[in-house]
Amino acid sequence: AAGVIQSPRHLIKEKRETATLKCYPIPRHDTVYWYQQGPGQDPQFLISFYEKMQSDKGSIPDRFSAQQFSDYHSELNMSSLELGDSALYFCASSLAPSPRRAGELFFGEGSRLTVL
Amino acid sequence: GQNIDQPTEMTATEGAIVQINCTYQTSGFNGLFWYQQHAGEAPTFLSYNVLDGLEEKGRFSSFLSRSKGYSYLLLKELQMKDSASYLCAVELGDSNYQLIWGAGTKLIIKP
Repeated sequence: AAGVIQSPRHLIKEKRETATLKCYPIPRHDTVYWYQQGPGQDPQFLISFYEKMQSDKGSIPDRFSAQQFSDYHSELNMSSLELGDSALYFCASSLAPSPRRAGELFFGEGSRLTVL
Repeated sequence: GQNIDQPTEMTATEGAIVQINCTYQTSGFNGLFWYQQHAGEAPTFLSYNVLDGLEEKGRFSSFLSRSKGYSYLLLKELQMKDSASYLCAVELGDSNYQLIWGAGTKLIIKP
């Protein structure tokens, strides 16, 4: 069965550079979430999209932005990278069972960003 | 504020039973998820409780008491592959799709 696809799997950048992560949700899923997980920490919610519109915003820095495109894939853009941005970035998708319900989240394998 | 508490680490023996507790105090509540996460891998769904009571799914069961803000995940017949972190997450509901995550409980299974 198709799963959530994230790319790239690994990314190494230097401070102040820019990075873009991509997420391809499970077909027909209407909601996409982005999470950041530092070493030994729980996933921190960044932002979500429902039907291509931003539905909620969590602890996403102003240096980061995200969007969901017409084909439902999503991109997380990170600028002016800092050492503290080094983390595993997970994308998850779900099919909301009803309005304002998250439904089961299916996670991608994550993109590991290392900022040097 | 939002608060979810889980024990940091637990140790159990292969073949035994272990219960991982989760208590929450959140601004809203639509449901509670349990996820399993092996180191360096993505979380995978285990269970979802909306109503009070016990939900059984094979070796894993999850319990919810909304009045007490309490849930537990029960793992039976433990296997070495069950060594992982177990994350409790509350679905806030209302106008957002946000999940509030606990810090996770690292479960160590010993032979």
